Amino acid sequence: IAGITQAPTSQILAAGRRMTLRCTQDMRHNAMYWYRQDLGLGLRLIHYSNTAGTTGKGEVPDGYSVSRANTDDFPLTLASAVPSQTSVYFCASSDSGLQGDTGELFFGEGSRLTVL
Amino acid sequence: GQNIDQPTEMTATEGAIVQINCTYQTSGFNGLFWYQQHAGEAPTFLSYNVLDGLEEKGRFSSFLSRSKGYSYLLLKELQMKDSASYLCAVLNSNYQLIWGAGTKLIIKP
Repeated sequence: IAGITQAPTSQILAAGRRMTLRCTQDMRHNAMYWYRQDLGLGLRLIHYSNTAGTTGKGEVPDGYSVSRANTDDFPLTLASAVPSQTSVYFCASSDSGLQGDTGELFFGEGSRLTVL
Repeated sequence: GQNIDQPTEMTATEGAIVQINCTYQTSGFNGLFWYQQHAGEAPTFLSYNVLDGLEEKGRFSSFLSRSKGYSYLLLKELQMKDSASYLCAVLNSNYQLIWGAGTKLIIKP
């Protein structure tokens, strides 16, 4: 089934540890995004990539890094996890980039991360 | 600042009609989206409005008034499977998506 795959689905992590959330899409979409979703708040953009080889900072980028070596993969890394990074993380893609984008976003199923 | 306001929670009866409102204040406007998100699942696209007026898609309709900074999502003939959160998001002049916190809709038999 075409779409976006995220891994892991759920993870408990000790503070200070490094963690990479994986995201792969098979729709050949140019743009990919990482959001975090916290109770009572709207989705917040962490980082984005309009096309392979480029990345940009979103609303809440501190403590996170991304890379976009190819069209399909967009991993999110927490270099040294802190409890405030406990959240549900969603990877998403769209057919065009943020600039001029009016297309729908396709979301992965989410990765629930708990930092203790 | 930029903000999207939606009611936190609404309750409706199976078979009835419900209207979920969304008001926004953003730096510019390039369109408004509605997404549906079932508990524990990913958001899925419902509708997109960029011009004033009503867009109908089956049991769901979305309305936009740019002059009032206002949109609503209308759900007709409610079914139990419509129990979900409904997210309003606005694309601002910098093509940034600003998201509301979502409205949790509870359907009762």
